[in-house]
Amino acid sequence: GDSVTQMEGPVTLSEEAFLTINCTYTATGYPSLFWYVQYPGEGLQLLLKATKADDKGSNKGFEATYRKETTSFHLEKGSVQVSDSAVYFCAPLKAAGNKLTFGGGTRVLVKP
Amino acid sequence: GAGVSQSPRYKVAKRGQDVALRCDPISGHVSLFWYQQALGQGPEFLTYFQNEAQLDKSGLPSDRFFAERPEGSVSTLKIQRTQQEDSAVYLCASSLGTSGDNEQFFGPGTRLTVL
Repeated sequence: GDSVTQMEGPVTLSEEAFLTINCTYTATGYPSLFWYVQYPGEGLQLLLKATKADDKGSNKGFEATYRKETTSFHLEKGSVQVSDSAVYFCAPLKAAGNKLTFGGGTRVLVKP
Repeated sequence: GAGVSQSPRYKVAKRGQDVALRCDPISGHVSLFWYQQALGQGPEFLTYFQNEAQLDKSGLPSDRFFAERPEGSVSTLKIQRTQQEDSAVYLCASSLGTSGDNEQFFGPGTRLTVL
C-alpha cells in the first residue's frame, strides 16, 4: 500500500531561519503530491501541490519540488516567521483515484 | 462564510452508543471525503462520495461505520456501538470537481470521545 514518511517534530526555529521538512513516499503509479498545513485553532488547508515530476509547487514563500527519482517532496522556506508556526502534512495522491495518504505531520514552532 | 461546516464540534459518547456526525460541504462541490485523525497523527482516509454515489469506502475500519450522502450535498457519518478506539477527530472535506488534483477544503472536524 501507499505510505508517507515525514520527519518527526517538533521543529523549533528562530525567526528568519531556514526550514526544511523532509517527505518521502511509496506509491503505486505516479501520484500528485500535496503539502497541507494546520495553523493553531484552524482546519487543514492546502499549502502547495505538484502534479508531475520536476514540478515545483510554491506558496507563501514555501517551495517543494516533485522528485520522482528519489520519491521525495521536501518542503522548504528560506526565512520563516512566527506566523509559520503550524503542523505540516505531506500527502501524495494516487494517480488513479482520489485518496490522499497523509504523513504523520511535523509540528513547527518559530520563536521570535 | 461558505466553508465546510461540521456538527457537532464535540461529542462525548458512552461505549456502545450510536453517534451521527454531520458534514455540510461547500455548495456545488461534487466530491466529499471523510477522514479520521487520531491524536498526534495525520488524517486517515475513510470514504469518498461523488455526488450521492459512495465510490470508495475502503478506509472504513469496520461495519460499525456507515456514511451516506443521499442528495449529493450534506453527508452523515454514523458509528454504531461506539468503542474507545473510535475516539478521534473526524474530518470532512469537499472539492469542486472529480479530479483528485482538485484542492480539498476541510471542515473544522468533530472531536469524538468515547468513554
